[in-house]
Parts: sequence; C-alpha cells; structure tokens
Amino acid sequence: ILNVEQSPQSLHVQEGDSTNFTCSFPSSNFYALHWYRWETAKSPEALFVMTLNGDEKKKGRISATLNTKEGYSYLYIKGSQPEDSATYLCAFHPGSSNTGKLIFGQGTTLQVKP
Amino acid sequence: DSGVTQTPKHLITATGQRVTLRCSPRSGDLSVYWYQQSLDQGLQFLIQYYNGEERAKGNILERFSAQQFPDLHSELNLSSLELGDSALYFCASSVDLRSGQGSEQFFGPGTRLTVL
Repeated sequence: ILNVEQSPQSLHVQEGDSTNFTCSFPSSNFYALHWYRWETAKSPEALFVMTLNGDEKKKGRISATLNTKEGYSYLYIKGSQPEDSATYLCAFHPGSSNTGKLIFGQGTTLQVKP
Repeated sequence: DSGVTQTPKHLITATGQRVTLRCSPRSGDLSVYWYQQSLDQGLQFLIQYYNGEERAKGNILERFSAQQFPDLHSELNLSSLELGDSALYFCASSVDLRSGQGSEQFFGPGTRLTVL
C-alpha cells in the first residue's frame, strides 16, 4: 500500500510569519511529486510538479524542495498572508505505472490570522 | 477558472438510485480523472481515461462506472447508491497520459452528491 503522509494536519499562524510543512512519500518507485493548493469552496489548483531529486521550485512567496532518496518534500511559505489560508495537498505519482494516477495526502490546512 | 467543467454542481438523491456526473476537460487535454472526497478521507483516485480508453483504476466500487466519449467528455455513473456514497466528486484533466514532467492536473469545481 502506497502511503502519503502530510504534517502537520493543521497550522494557525499570524500574518507575516513564515511557515513550512512536510509531505512524506515512498522513496522507491518515484515518478513525480505534486503540490496543490485548495481554497474553501474552490477546486484544487496545482502549485508545483517536481520530478528530480534536489529540485527546488518557487512561485512568489511559496517554494518547495524535494528529496526522493529519503522520500520527503517541504513546502515553505514566506511572510504568510491571510489569502494564503487554504489546504495544501501533496500527491505522489508512482513510477511503476504508465498512467497519471496520483496518491494524495490528507493535506495541511493553514489558517493565517491578520 | 481551470477550464474543466462539471455538472451538476449539487445532486440530492435517495438510496438505491442511480446518477450520472458529467465532466468536460480543458480544450486539448486527453486525460480525464475522477476523484472522490468523502468527509474523513483525502482525495481518492477512482479512475483515469485517456483518449477514450480506460488507463488506470483506483479503489472504484463495482457499482460505479465511467466512460470517455469521442469528444473527450466523461461521465461517472453511480448506481445502487448508499448513504456512504455522499461525497464531493472531482473531475480533473491533463494533456498527457502521465501527469508528470510539468504536466499537472487541472480540477473542475466538483459535484456535491448527497444520498438521503
């Protein structure tokens, strides 16, 4: 069974704080790791797709790193703003199948207080 | 707006009934995915179609079936509905068969199914 774990489950921070959360995935049979942002009453929206060990991606104040050898990825948000409040999902894409099947973690819900 | 459309937005029905959820992918996307989001569960992959053919299956119940039509829209059929089938059903699409190498999945707004 392929398991994707995210921690923490939820996070409350003050505006301006920087924060980070973790996604753990199987270190073998890796093809790609996706990060999605899911705002309440909307649909998940892709942030990053990461494929190479050591990969670092950045979009504005949000960045992510990838370690495929040990099976984890970190998502960082610098200077959190209330509009960053959302659930952040990571999804593991196993390499064994020639399909687009993704295995999602349970998500980290971030609440940023003004 | 991701470009993926789903209808209906909400659906309320009774146990034992059958419903059809519809999805139109982004223009040019050949892969369509169906996901289920229940109360205490993360997004669960149900099934993938690529250019009209089934390509991957997740933990999809035998009471559920799907298909992708020549115009690439897809339908998810849920039959003999049970209370536990109440969930948010998402459709997503991507260009390729494998959504890696920079090819992310684009999600529709979802269909909220309530089984009473």
